[in-house]
Amino acid sequence: QQQVKQSPQSLIVQKGGISIINCAYENTAFDYFPWYQQFPGKGPALLIAIRPDVSEKKEGRFTISFNKSAKQFSLHIMDSQPGDSATYFCAAKRVPSNTGKLIFGQGTTLQVKP
Amino acid sequence: NAGVMQNPRHLVRRRGQEARLRCSPVKGHSHVYWYRQLPEEGLKFMVYLQKENIIDESGMPKERFSAEFPKEGPSILRIQQVVRGDSAAYFCASSPRQISNQPQHFGDGTRLSIL
Repeated sequence: QQQVKQSPQSLIVQKGGISIINCAYENTAFDYFPWYQQFPGKGPALLIAIRPDVSEKKEGRFTISFNKSAKQFSLHIMDSQPGDSATYFCAAKRVPSNTGKLIFGQGTTLQVKP
Repeated sequence: NAGVMQNPRHLVRRRGQEARLRCSPVKGHSHVYWYRQLPEEGLKFMVYLQKENIIDESGMPKERFSAEFPKEGPSILRIQQVVRGDSAAYFCASSPRQISNQPQHFGDGTRLSIL
């Protein structure tokens, strides 16, 4: 009930292409879904987040698509650039709750080839 | 306007020694979270603290691990009698409050290696 499953584990995309990373969750009480970007040797940095009352959120080249009935959400990176090469984590949590813990997916390592 | 500061960045210990990891949250943030990241895995929640209180320690191993967030000073994650399986990256995050979708800001972690 606490799991968040992420796929694919790794992804190679050509520069200018679209990168798509998918996540699925089980706990219907989750209602906040952030995506984090992590570069080697660094901590995760919040990229974009969504609540389940909207089906899509876009910030620049990054878009989250959310399907509440399927309990799935995905990150789309448009016009992927070599600088986007990093590990991406989806996460979920309940808001509000008596704990702020984030449940993370396993991560996707993205390589964007020039 | 410093972010979450963790030190040391790298820590090497021999089996049986103690490891102390420090986390200074973003100025004004009163909520601290600790996560552990094993190689090739996602982050796993360990503990959530407010000033002087442990709110949720459901992810903490039952033995050898403890955490505190005193009224003054940084939050400390303490691992006693370390074993090889404790080798991981430990990340601290902070937020101004948790009863909202306030984002958690992460530090750059402490890489703990056990010889």
